[in-house]
Amino acid sequence: GQQLNQSPQSMFIQEGEDVSMNCTSSSIFNTWLWYKQDPGEGPVLLIALYKAGELTSNGRLTAQFGITRKDSFLNISASIPSDVGIYFCAGLADNNNDMRFGAGTRLTVKP
Amino acid sequence: KAGVTQTPRYLIKTRGQQVTLSCSPISGHRSVSWYQQTPGQGLQFLFEYFSETQRNKGNFPGRFSGRQFSNSRSEMNVSTLELGDSALYLCASSLGLAQETQYFGPGTRLLVL
Repeated sequence: GQQLNQSPQSMFIQEGEDVSMNCTSSSIFNTWLWYKQDPGEGPVLLIALYKAGELTSNGRLTAQFGITRKDSFLNISASIPSDVGIYFCAGLADNNNDMRFGAGTRLTVKP
Repeated sequence: KAGVTQTPRYLIKTRGQQVTLSCSPISGHRSVSWYQQTPGQGLQFLFEYFSETQRNKGNFPGRFSGRQFSNSRSEMNVSTLELGDSALYLCASSLGLAQETQYFGPGTRLLVL
């Protein structure tokens, strides 16, 4: 099925830097979700967004639900080594029948 | 409270064989969804079960099937395995039908030779 367009594919940053990644789609979604996946583990939900324009924070993480309902972004401020992992966006459409995922952004943080 | 558990964690099979993977949801959760994760295709939805009934199904061939038992535990089966079925199979459970509140298990990594 149609997956989401997530960018960048990978990022190599220095500890303390801010990070930004985004997801876009040609379809409208009712819910946007951001997950983090560590090696050998399943994805863990970081932030859930339910309303167009919504801006939600979870510690150093901030995510926004785009006004058009076709995009979302995730920011991580003051990155630390444990932020390393793969970040996925996911969207739930009008019928909420199944979840679509982005291909993931692999984040590497150099101490 | 224990998280979602999946067994086995790793599995090696050969082409043509069949495989059954198991998922035990978080206690009290009634919805179980299955996903396939590969480097090329990313995370793709397989199917979702709620109260022993399949609610939704992704775009996968009929070789992929699943079921849910009365205790909410779920199994998925892949018959006539192909090399391309090598993947991490993830199970996620949620209390009700809201997929956004689902919790993922660690996955079963399947290698088909």
